[in-house]
Amino acid sequence: QVQLVESGGGVVQPGRSLRLSCAASGFTFSNYAMHWVRQAPGKGLEWVAVIWNDGSNKYYSDSVKGRFTISRDNSKNTLYLQMNSLRAEDTAVYYCVRGHGYFEDWGQGTLVTVSS
Amino acid sequence: EIVLTQSPVTVSLSPGERATLSCRASQGVTTYLAWYQQKPGQAPRLLIYDASTRASGIPARFSGSGSGTDFTLTISSLEPEDFAVYYCQQRNNWPPFTFGPGTRVDI
Repeated sequence: QVQLVESGGGVVQPGRSLRLSCAASGFTFSNYAMHWVRQAPGKGLEWVAVIWNDGSNKYYSDSVKGRFTISRDNSKNTLYLQMNSLRAEDTAVYYCVRGHGYFEDWGQGTLVTVSS
Repeated sequence: EIVLTQSPVTVSLSPGERATLSCRASQGVTTYLAWYQQKPGQAPRLLIYDASTRASGIPARFSGSGSGTDFTLTISSLEPEDFAVYYCQQRNNWPPFTFGPGTRVDI
């Protein structure tokens, strides 16, 4: 079965950086586009970024463009999100998600809290 | 950016009743619309994609309809486990992929 396990969340000060990871198993990772989707506490869902199956294309929401970088290592079946210049409004649960245009399979999420 | 609006914000129903949830898009998305269910403390789950196709393992009591700008998720007879928040999402015009604000189905 598909498993997506996020890690790397925690408490970080504004302006600092954090890198999230997502370990994938149960499917051929290199065949699928992968996304990060986030959810602020008590709020709705917000798409963050997508990366093509081969890493050739990446797209970002305006709210993170220029600060976050999505990447993947298909040899390690792992997805990453490098988050720089973090702001309080980036506080959220970050989900790793498999899918092309729809979000088919989700990890359990990792909480990122940006606070001084 | 396509904005999705969901109504009602909250609906209170009883087990066995029918739930009808609405999603409206600010511009046409053809049938490139999905519905997700999220229970407290859990990740969302894909229910419906392409407006009316049930995802794998989703019970037949969930159905979706609509095209263009107006879409509906219907739960024909609510089970206790169906009380949750439901989100719609479009993939017709991206980036960004956008979600609606959600409808909470309460007992």
